[in-house]
Amino acid sequence: EAGVTQSPTHLIKTRGQQATLRCSPISGHTSVYWYQQALGLGLQFLLWYDEGEERNRGNFPPRFSGRQFPNYSSELNVNALELEDSALYLCASKTTDNEKLFFGSGTQLSVL
Amino acid sequence: AQSVSQHNHHVILSEAASLELGCNYSYGGTVNLFWYVQYPGQHLQLLLKYFSGDPLVKGIKGFEAEFIKSKFSFNLRKPSVQWSDTAEYFCAVKDSGRYSSASKIIFGSGTRLSIRP
Repeated sequence: EAGVTQSPTHLIKTRGQQATLRCSPISGHTSVYWYQQALGLGLQFLLWYDEGEERNRGNFPPRFSGRQFPNYSSELNVNALELEDSALYLCASKTTDNEKLFFGSGTQLSVL
Repeated sequence: AQSVSQHNHHVILSEAASLELGCNYSYGGTVNLFWYVQYPGQHLQLLLKYFSGDPLVKGIKGFEAEFIKSKFSFNLRKPSVQWSDTAEYFCAVKDSGRYSSASKIIFGSGTRLSIRP
């Protein structure tokens, strides 16, 4: 069974550009979480989608947004990129009734 | 707002030493608690979890954690570490209270564990 897949693996952008990161959850999982892992800061909660709806978001500016598609895959968009957005972005999925998160390997975003 | 604190950023131990990693959370209601581990080159994976019942929970690879409600703590322990336990360990919390449909899972900053062979 395929795990959580994220694309691209690496993404290099310049300041002011926009980035789109993608996540495919494990088959049967309807919930997708996005986290930002910057050096030394652990995992910062970004967004949580469940059944196509945004359920909660972390303390990030509105230029961080996303969506969940009918097939439960998800997209994270970061507009007007800033240098401090450089980080590893992790996606995790779970079923609605089980709190165990399954993580992808992440997208390393570098903003130059 | 809920938060999770892991005060040990980097712990270095010799093989066979005992391990205790601290985790404190700030939320007064009912919580679900987790420890995740990230081995070098691998995805984050669940080590153990506490939902209710016995406050001492056992996980994979000989790890255990104790939930102490009065101290808002969920420390991770292992009596005798091995070189293969070298990894980064993350504590996480999810509130399971009244508005659990909107509750989220948040993580601490992580503790890097290095085991000397």
